[in-house]
Amino acid sequence: GAVVSQHPSWVICKSGTSVKIECRSLDFQATTMFWYRQFPKQSLMLMATSNEGSKATYEQGVEKDKFLINHASLTLSTLTVTSAHPEDSSFYICSAKGTSGWQYFGPGTRLTVT
Amino acid sequence: DAKTTQPNSMESNEEEPVHLPCNHSTISGTDYIHWYRQLPSQGPEYVIHGLTSNVNNRMASLAIAEDRKSSTLILHRATLRDAAVYYCILRPAGTSGTYKYIFGTGTRLKVLA
Repeated sequence: GAVVSQHPSWVICKSGTSVKIECRSLDFQATTMFWYRQFPKQSLMLMATSNEGSKATYEQGVEKDKFLINHASLTLSTLTVTSAHPEDSSFYICSAKGTSGWQYFGPGTRLTVT
Repeated sequence: DAKTTQPNSMESNEEEPVHLPCNHSTISGTDYIHWYRQLPSQGPEYVIHGLTSNVNNRMASLAIAEDRKSSTLILHRATLRDAAVYYCILRPAGTSGTYKYIFGTGTRLKVLA
């Protein structure tokens, strides 16, 4: 149980375009989901906390207009990287908070912006 | 948000035990200690968690200091598949609220054949 999926697992896009990443909790409902970014050889950095039906809370230094988060249902949150640039290339990981209070992590999405 | 500190890297020979330490001197009385590991190009995977007592599961053991300011993840027989980055994280008790996981640098474990 407590499986979280992400789609796509990897994506390549051209500079200036937008890309959407989906995060789904497959067998549980998650009122709260989290988005992390991880650069090579670095740790996970929390970008934002997403609550179902309300606006996301962004960490300091994360541009909310660039990283659009939508949490429209209890099993789906999306992260849209708008006007992507090469420096946005990273590994994006989501997690979903279950009824236990724990976070369950997705497999990650590798974004490459050319 | 409480923080943890871990050595950046450790090495172990295959089939030998590995002790991965974590310091969490600012832990509060209700914080659980969670350990995750991350294989290359994957999301973090749950390993074990505990509150006060030592814990065992099929993957590892967790030894928690009496003052709870440190803990040690023990892999009893390291295999090549255990090569990963190991993170210890503190999580407040309870199911409500929005608890952020603060990831430190983690320990990159290298297992030598």
